[in-house]
Amino acid sequence: EAGVTQFPSHSVIEKGQTVTLRCDPISGHDNLYWYRRVMGKEIKFLLHFVKESKQDESGMPNNRFLAERTGGTYSTLKVQPAELEDSGVYFCASSPAGGYGYTFGSGTRLTVV
Amino acid sequence: GENVEQHPSTLSVQEGDSAVIKCTYSDSASNYFPWYKQELGKGPQLIIDIRSNVGEKKDQRIAVTLNKTAKHFSLHITETQPEDSAVYFCVAFLYNQGGKLIFGQGTELSVKP
Repeated sequence: EAGVTQFPSHSVIEKGQTVTLRCDPISGHDNLYWYRRVMGKEIKFLLHFVKESKQDESGMPNNRFLAERTGGTYSTLKVQPAELEDSGVYFCASSPAGGYGYTFGSGTRLTVV
Repeated sequence: GENVEQHPSTLSVQEGDSAVIKCTYSDSASNYFPWYKQELGKGPQLIIDIRSNVGEKKDQRIAVTLNKTAKHFSLHITETQPEDSAVYFCVAFLYNQGGKLIFGQGTELSVKP
């Protein structure tokens, strides 16, 4: 079984630019989550999709972040315009219906300079 | 809001010694507590979990305990090996919030040969 795939693995962009992160969940997993770890701090929830619908986006920092999950398959997380404080590692995870059985991707390390 | 406190933030042990990581959680509705290990450049990987109707669970050198009354849970690693070196996260799973995970701050474990 293929795992959760994220790309790019690293991204370095200048402040004010736009970056789009992509996540391919495990096939058949209804739940898709985005999390973020800012340097030295805990991993924090950003949002949750059930199939193509946003179930909970209470963790999104502000309106510069936009997440989509077209057709209930892969998901993208766009940051526009990026700010210095957006730097961190962004993790995607998926799970079957019910929520148990999370699998995380390897993450995208975003550096905004 | 929901919160998980984790201690210590760093832990250094000699190979063969035991390591203990302790956590407390705030949400009484939490009923499932997974532990994740994160190695450099990889995403969090589930190493063991415990449900609220169980007080202790063991898997080879790893054991977890849960005191639901006190809202404490702990990870115990015995006979540590250098490959156990990683960041460990305790987590509270919020079933009533779509399976959102609340992470502790992480413990960086270093096992010295």
